[in-house]
Amino acid sequence: GAGVSQSPSNKVTEKGKDVELRCDPISGHTALYWYRQSLGQGLEFLIYFQGNSAPDKSGLPSDRFSAERTGGSVSTLTIQRTQQEDSAVYLCASSRFTSGSYEQYFGPGTRLTVT
Amino acid sequence: DQQVKQNSPSLSVQEGRISILNCDYTNSMFDYFLWYKKYPAEGPTFLISISSIKDKNEDGRFTVFLNKSAKHLSLHIVPSQPGDSAVYFCAASARGFQKLVFGTGTRLLVSP
Repeated sequence: GAGVSQSPSNKVTEKGKDVELRCDPISGHTALYWYRQSLGQGLEFLIYFQGNSAPDKSGLPSDRFSAERTGGSVSTLTIQRTQQEDSAVYLCASSRFTSGSYEQYFGPGTRLTVT
Repeated sequence: DQQVKQNSPSLSVQEGRISILNCDYTNSMFDYFLWYKKYPAEGPTFLISISSIKDKNEDGRFTVFLNKSAKHLSLHIVPSQPGDSAVYFCAASARGFQKLVFGTGTRLLVSP
C-alpha cells in the first residue's frame, strides 16, 4: 500500500518568508509525527498528533513553528519568518496507535534550505 | 542533553563479516528501543525493535541486544551485505510517550 508522502521534496526560500510543508500519512494510521534532521544531527522530535487529542508540541523550537492536522489525516507544518538555522530535512511519520508498539513509518522528507 | 548516543559516526566491514552497531542511553524511563536504517534521500525505515522486558530480539540477519544495567544496546548484522550500507539510527521511547528520541546515527559501509 501507499506509504507516507511529503511535499514538496525540496524547498528553497529566502530568510523571512513563510513556508508550508505537507504530510499525507498512511491510511488508517491515527498517530502522526513531525521530526527534523539538521546536518550531522539525529532526528529531532517536533510535534505529535494522536486522534482528537491535543497535540504534543513540546519539541517545537520556537513560536514561529506551528502544525495542524485536518480531519485526522493530512498535516501541515508551517514555519513563519524562516531563519537560516531552520534549514534541515523535515520528516513526517505515522503509526497505528497500538499499545506496546512504537513503530513509526517515515516519509521521504522535505529538504528546506533558507538562503 | 543527548539522551541517546551513538558514539561511532562510521563503521566499515567486509562483506560476510559481522557488523556491530552500538547505542547508549541515559534516561532510565526508556522502555522500548528501535533501530532504523536510512538511505540517502529517503526517510528512515524500521528495522527491528526490543522491549525492555527482553534482552534479545532476532529477525533474520539482524539481532538487537539490550543491557539495561549498562543502558546499552547493540545491533548485530550477520552476515553483512553491501546492500546493508546505510546510516543506522538507534531510537528510544518512554512508557506513555509516543515520540521517539534518536541518536545521531552510524554510517555503515559494507565492502565486497
